[in-house]
Amino acid sequence: QSVLTQPPSVSGAPGQRVTISCTGSSSNIGAPYDVHWYQQLPGTAPRLLIYGNNNRPSGVPDRFSGSKSGTSASLAITGLQAEDEADYYCQSYDSSLSGRVVFGGGTKLTVL
Amino acid sequence: EVQLVESGGGLVQPGGSLRLSCAASGFTFKTYWMHWVRQAPGKGLVWVSRIYSDGSITSYADSVKGRFTISRDNAKNTLYLEMNSLTAEDTAEYYCARGGSGRSGDYYFGMDVWGQGTTVTVSS
Repeated sequence: QSVLTQPPSVSGAPGQRVTISCTGSSSNIGAPYDVHWYQQLPGTAPRLLIYGNNNRPSGVPDRFSGSKSGTSASLAITGLQAEDEADYYCQSYDSSLSGRVVFGGGTKLTVL
Repeated sequence: EVQLVESGGGLVQPGGSLRLSCAASGFTFKTYWMHWVRQAPGKGLVWVSRIYSDGSITSYADSVKGRFTISRDNAKNTLYLEMNSLTAEDTAEYYCARGGSGRSGDYYFGMDVWGQGTTVTVSS
């Protein structure tokens, strides 16, 4: 059972917009610790997609955006492309765990 | 090129030990937090441990506390994970990842560089 809750799967057609939610609590996202998002393509290592709630590292397309409100965060992907099919993870920290790192359970994005 | 390369994985019997290494290059290793993250087959990412830039601060997931030890050698640009009393539940791909810099920097920047992973299999 992950401290951060994500939907197991989402799907969308090419060109559409999808969002992935990440729900936490007052001891993590609401603490407020920053939320980071990672993309993991099949058979590869994770890649940082969004850091500090809504910032993109260089090289990440602006089709990807993050937001945070209260005890939840979201990752939005617009103009969905086939190569976006991957697993997505949110990550934060938890004060009830002495500031240790916590991940969401992951969301599998399927591009229809 | 900024790079992390893990090594040391393999097959080990239950109750055994293993030492993972992560060689860093292309950046000033001694200024960054470093993490170990694992992923069991078909499962999600699970944070294992982290260590401050000078090695003075460490923390562990409850599932490995008392059995795993994270350390670093800044002169060799290398991160380590000593794993003892291994069980089947420790079977996973183990990734090292770069965190932030500065005492609080780890909270704000995420893990921006990842290694390719090393596989640990615990089985008799």
